[in-house]
Amino acid sequence: DAGVIQSPRHEVTEMGQEVTLRCKPISGHDYLFWYRQTMMRGLELLIYFNNNVPIDDSGMPEDRFSAKMPNASFSTLKIQPSEPRDSAVYFCASSWGEHTGELFFGEGSRLTVL
Amino acid sequence: GEDVEQSLFLSVREGDSSVINCTYTDSSSTYLYWYKQEPGAGLQLLTYIFSNMDMKQDQRLTVLLNKKDKHLSLRIADTQTGDSAIYFCAERRADDYKLSFGAGTTVTVRA
Repeated sequence: DAGVIQSPRHEVTEMGQEVTLRCKPISGHDYLFWYRQTMMRGLELLIYFNNNVPIDDSGMPEDRFSAKMPNASFSTLKIQPSEPRDSAVYFCASSWGEHTGELFFGEGSRLTVL
Repeated sequence: GEDVEQSLFLSVREGDSSVINCTYTDSSSTYLYWYKQEPGAGLQLLTYIFSNMDMKQDQRLTVLLNKKDKHLSLRIADTQTGDSAIYFCAERRADDYKLSFGAGTTVTVRA
């Protein structure tokens, strides 16, 4: 398996623009997690899905952030409008069944909002 | 994760043992994990321990768990330059499917 695949790896955009980050989990995994990593706040869980259904979105910063999982092999995290404080590395991770703590992380999407 | 605390930095000489410490607050934690993050990469699971265990060994890695003190440690024997990375401690609570991560310990291996 290719592992968790994220795109784009790097994104530079201007404040106010819409940003869409994409994730393909490992085939057969039924949990998908979106994390954000910054120097100041460390690793934060934004939202996670089980069988494509959002279970906990309490970590989503505000209404500018939204996440979807239309099928078992694809998820998006959207920021609209983007702000400089959204600059971070966004990670997607997947896991399966009772082994939800055994996360497989993607390489991350580094977002810079100017 | 304010519920999981780690020291931020550790410097160790090549060939020595590294010990990374972590404390957590939730006594209902069922599993505790150690993840490794190399520069520019995602986190990678190194090892984990179930809360009813007090030790787990896996090649150069030894995990010690003191449940009474809510203290977890990761010992890396014969530390190599490739072990330079950020190490994250994480806990999973009994009633939850998500992990709480610590801030990470940056380990630097010097020759």
